[in-house]
Amino acid sequence: AQSVTQLGSHVSVSEGALVLLRCNYSSSVPPYLFWYVQYPNQGLQLLLKYTTGATLVKGINGFEAEFKKSETSFHLTKPSAHMSDAAEYFCAVSVGTNFGNEKLTFGTGTRLTIIP
Amino acid sequence: DSGVTQTPKHLITATGQRVTLRCSPRSGDLSVYWYQQSLDQGLQFLIQYYNGEERAKGNILERFSAQQFPDLHSELNLSSLELGDSALYFCASSGSGTGWDTQYFGPGTRLTVL
Repeated sequence: AQSVTQLGSHVSVSEGALVLLRCNYSSSVPPYLFWYVQYPNQGLQLLLKYTTGATLVKGINGFEAEFKKSETSFHLTKPSAHMSDAAEYFCAVSVGTNFGNEKLTFGTGTRLTIIP
Repeated sequence: DSGVTQTPKHLITATGQRVTLRCSPRSGDLSVYWYQQSLDQGLQFLIQYYNGEERAKGNILERFSAQQFPDLHSELNLSSLELGDSALYFCASSGSGTGWDTQYFGPGTRLTVL
């Protein structure tokens, strides 16, 4: 079975600083990896996803993530934090190679706080 | 706006009661997923339907059931409610139901059991 570990339940960065949110996965088959963002009292919005091909994936709002198979990681980064980035971020994995196994398995989330 | 709609937005009920949560997927999407988000369990997959048929089950209690109708909307029924069922319930939809397909989430239904 697949799983996701997000290191750091809370991360604080200054406005304009680098954002780095960590995600490690476990999967016995090639994974599909996702980052979602959840703003207060809202649903989840897809930031980016890795399926196949280029391992550096660019998403919305200036975020990107790199799939590193050797490290089983899919860390999310943004060069310069903005106040509007304050939210909860979820890393998720799907395998999807078997019928009926397309569900998303989520990490526990990282709450990002931006310091003015 | 993801295109997935969920009703109601909020639901307050008492223990032992039964409620129905409704989800309309994005136009053209055949697959519907239900997830539960709670403080102690995080985001957990409950059940998936594809074109009217159950496709996968996750951590769904026997007191919970779901179905997908011919018009592809889905309902999640929660019965004999307990305090611990209080949570945010999300519906998501995708076009093909495959693992690489993006799941688009609705705004959720917040259930409070008193």
